[in-house]
Amino acid sequence: QKEVEQNSGPLSVPEGAIASLNCTYSDRGSQSFFWYRQYSGKSPELIMSIYSNGDKEDGRFTAQLNKASQYVSLLIRDSQPSDSATYLCAVFSGGYNKLIFGAGTRLAVHP
Amino acid sequence: NAGVMQNPRHLVRRRGQEARLRCSPVKGHSHVYWYRQLPEEGLKFMVYLQKENIIDESGMPKERFSAEFPKEGPSILRIQQVVRGDSAAYFCASSPNLVDEQYFGPGTRLTVT
Repeated sequence: QKEVEQNSGPLSVPEGAIASLNCTYSDRGSQSFFWYRQYSGKSPELIMSIYSNGDKEDGRFTAQLNKASQYVSLLIRDSQPSDSATYLCAVFSGGYNKLIFGAGTRLAVHP
Repeated sequence: NAGVMQNPRHLVRRRGQEARLRCSPVKGHSHVYWYRQLPEEGLKFMVYLQKENIIDESGMPKERFSAEFPKEGPSILRIQQVVRGDSAAYFCASSPNLVDEQYFGPGTRLTVT
């Protein structure tokens, strides 16, 4: 079992729809959770961080954390073609004492 | 505020040459991380350093690769006797503390011919 798992996609959604990206992690003691966006040929860019159970909203983005289910998700409302990118979930694992990245989910928003 | 800086952005080396990649973290950040990313693949952790110390090098190949973060100056990732399989994007990231979010530099794209 990988420490951080994401569906590789591609996840295809129409413009204006809600894109839902999911991530599960194995270390129950994980403390910090992050979502990064990476455009093709570019470096990862931090878009959200979440530390406690529940929802955290920032503009069109909402991060959701459920530590009991070891699950973190990212919702993108009113998806735009410019949101097309790979989204990386990252979890700080106390067991490994490092930030562990998932392999990423490729999102394609079509007009 | 300057973010993480990396240079060069693109580096071409012939097989057998040495590659030196530089990373200047965000001002005030003392934690530096190096990652490698092959085309169409995920980020692979290589090494984590604090000033003058290697904290975790569990992702570094045992041979030809080394990293340092001196008291003064940038962090350096050094690859000796490069091979074609070393061709990849190498990203540096920094953070103020170990558990905090990491900020990435633009990367160095290494091509070995």
